[in-house]
Formats: sequence, C-alpha cells, structure tokens
Amino acid sequence: GENVEQHPSTLSVQEGDSAVIKCTYSDSASNYFPWYKQELGKGPQLIIDIRSNVGEKKDQRIAVTLNKTAKHFSLHITETQPEDSAVYFCAASITGGFKTIFGAGTRLFVKA
Amino acid sequence: DGGITQSPKYLFRKEGQNVTLSCEQNLNHDAMYWYRQDPGQGLRLIYYSQIVNDFQKGDIAEGYSVSREKKESFPLTVTSAQKNPTAFYLCASSANRQGFGAFFGQGTRLTVV
Repeated sequence: GENVEQHPSTLSVQEGDSAVIKCTYSDSASNYFPWYKQELGKGPQLIIDIRSNVGEKKDQRIAVTLNKTAKHFSLHITETQPEDSAVYFCAASITGGFKTIFGAGTRLFVKA
Repeated sequence: DGGITQSPKYLFRKEGQNVTLSCEQNLNHDAMYWYRQDPGQGLRLIYYSQIVNDFQKGDIAEGYSVSREKKESFPLTVTSAQKNPTAFYLCASSANRQGFGAFFGQGTRLTVV
C-alpha cells in the first residue's frame, strides 16, 4: 500500500527566512497531494494542494512542487512569520480512493 | 458559518466503558471520515462513509463502530474492545466522494482513566 515519508520532523527558522518540507510517496498511482497545517489543540486545515498533472502551485507565501518521476513533493513557505509556527502534514491519495495517507508531520518553529 | 463540529472537546472514560464522539457537518458533504492521531504521528483512518447508511472500515477499525443515519452526522463509538483508546480523534468531511479537499473538525481528546 501507499506510504508517505515526511522530512524533517522538526524545523526551526528565523522570521523572514524560508522553510521547506519534503515528502516522498511510494504508490505511483497517487495523483492528489494536499498539505495541512495543524495548530496546537486544533484540527488540520487544508492550506494548499496539487494534482499530478501540475508541477507547481503557488498561493501567496506558500508553494508546492511535485516531481512525479522521483515521487517527491515539497512545501515551500517564504518570508516566514511567527504565526506560521505549527505542525504541517503532507498527504497522498488516489482518484476514486478514500485512503488519504498522511506523513508523520513536521513541527515548524518560526523564531521572532 | 459552515463547518464541522466535534463534541466534546475533552472526554474522559473509565476502562471498560463505551463512549460516543459526536461529529456534525453543515457543509452538505457526502463523505465523512474518522481519524485517530497519536503524539508525533500522522493521521490514521478508522472509518469512512461515502453516503448515508453506508460506511467502510479504515486501517484501524478494530474496537470502534460508527453509524451514518443522517448526511450531516457521523458519530464514532469507542468500545471497550479498543485496547489503547487514549488519543486525539478527528472527524473530517469532503464534498467529492473521492476524498479530495477534506475539512477537519477541531478534534476530541479522549483519555482513559
């Protein structure tokens, strides 16, 4: 079955710097890759997603890239702010399937 | 405002007791899901439902049960058969039956005392 690995598990950056979180997936049939942000004590919130027919997608300070050949996808946050501090999860799923497989999460700390 | 409401936020259970976690959505979504989250780990799928009166087991369904009598409601019962029930439980829903773009509730933290 699908397996999603996420790195790093913890990331600490200075305010204003960029943060990059990387994920790999095992099932080449996966074609939808959402990213979620989870703040302490709250449910995950969908922040950006990408489908397999697209290589990159941007939304203001966040962007996601996808390399289907290498089965890698990454989240890029530019000009980080303290409010970006949270746990970020990547995920992978297949059209027609309900099993969205989540990575283990990355705890991002943005130091003011 | 549309969204998913989970209740209660915190729940304490004695060993041997069944407890039911509530999940209600007013987003008119067809699909609903229950996930379990343990510290330092990702989300694991317990049960999911694509349509009213239908649901399927996820990866860790043992010791749990669900019902889907109404489109907007998907309660989860943690039974005494669940050996390690202490966890953070998350309910989610999505408009697309293929599970894309899921919206999550705020979670219920269950502790066995």
